[in-house]
Amino acid sequence: EPEVTQTPSHQVTQMGQEVILRCVPISNHLYFYWYRQILGQKVEFLVSFYNNEISEKSEIFDDQFSVERPDGSNFTLKIRSTKLEDSAMYFCASTRLAGGGRNTQYFGPGTRLTVL
Amino acid sequence: AQKITQTQPGMFVQEKEAVTLDCTYDTSDPSYGLFWYKQPSSGEMIFLIYQGSYDQQNATEGRYSLNFQKARKSANLVISASQLGDSAMYFCAMRPLDSNYQLIWGAGTKLIIKP
Repeated sequence: EPEVTQTPSHQVTQMGQEVILRCVPISNHLYFYWYRQILGQKVEFLVSFYNNEISEKSEIFDDQFSVERPDGSNFTLKIRSTKLEDSAMYFCASTRLAGGGRNTQYFGPGTRLTVL
Repeated sequence: AQKITQTQPGMFVQEKEAVTLDCTYDTSDPSYGLFWYKQPSSGEMIFLIYQGSYDQQNATEGRYSLNFQKARKSANLVISASQLGDSAMYFCAMRPLDSNYQLIWGAGTKLIIKP
């Protein structure tokens, strides 16, 4: 069964460093998302992406964050200068069709980012 | 504003018993979808079940069923015949049906199944 994959599974970085989190969405999916979950807290939406552009973003997704679909398969989240409070699990998700309805967002296994 | 409320931070249930995880929601959208996800200790987010606001029947997926009461704005997850492997965090989430926008998430319920 197709699934969303994410690499790396765990990333440790120093404060102020840039990190790139990678995701490969399910191949025939059109919408892509990044969420994050700080340890012990609820899941927070960061950004959604469709047709090679951001379709929605949250207040968390400030100028330090960017997303890109550099080729036909990868979807990346870049944090330019990491802060301690960026430490979290980052989930990528994708969904098949445009429009709403039962289009379930399927999640990758997550990347645990630790900023020291 | 849209909001999901899960009032049970944690639950202990004996193996093989049924368990109900509560979820209430608040939205002014006329149509919406409700989702339940399971997050084991390993961290991944696993889709369990979906209920559309216009669906006539409650959703079922194997041992999972959704007790959807639209007037009360509740969408409780029922797990029948619980198993040790059901121990996990469970999240209720919502999204308007006319968009592919973000999911709105509840705070989650930590379910522990006792042998």
